[in-house]
Amino acid sequence: EIVMTQSPATLSVSPGERASLSCRASQDVSSNLAWYQQKPGQAPRLLIYGASTRATGVPPRFSGSGSGTEFTLTISSLQSEDFAVYYCQQYDHWPTFGQGTKLEIK
Amino acid sequence: QVQLVESGGGLVQPGRSLRLSCAASGFTFSDYVMYWVRQAPGKGLEWVAIISYDGSNTYSADAVRGRFTISRDNSENTLFLQMNSLRTEDTAVYYCARVPASSYYFDHWGQGTLVTVSS
Repeated sequence: EIVMTQSPATLSVSPGERASLSCRASQDVSSNLAWYQQKPGQAPRLLIYGASTRATGVPPRFSGSGSGTEFTLTISSLQSEDFAVYYCQQYDHWPTFGQGTKLEIK
Repeated sequence: QVQLVESGGGLVQPGRSLRLSCAASGFTFSDYVMYWVRQAPGKGLEWVAIISYDGSNTYSADAVRGRFTISRDNSENTLFLQMNSLRTEDTAVYYCARVPASSYYFDHWGQGTLVTVSS
């Protein structure tokens, strides 16, 4: 099983600032990496797939980068609606998720 | 628009069974591989089972293999999860999720249904 490790567990950022979330895979997953946003009481929402392709309707302030084992989700200017939990998921083999990064208001 | 609506969750005693359903609409259901994914309270996401377009191929995660069975009825646009021999550790919100062609990320999710296993 490929283990996905996200850091930090919690990130405190002020609205309007930039946030960078990290995800590391225990082995090479190429660009088979997706990012999801989850708000309390809601299902996850796909943000990024293929490590860097935004899903339909996702604002351009969300961007993904990386390949192999190291990946980053960047939110360029945080809006109030962006404070949520973010998960990465690899799909190079049977899908596995990171444990999540909670993005909270500073 | 794509809609996935789960139902069938509830409170059940350990060792008992439950059947979840997921009604799909807004897309050609029979063209898509489907998954069940679960999330224990306050925890992360874990895939449970996968089924091919026509239901001929299925696979379950180690934690549920031999107890849970995924199936689908393409004539009714519905996905199922039969859960037998339930354990307290199966307590979770269960989501059905669609994967796009030739890939295995989840592009659409249902709202989830809560299964609580407790005596």
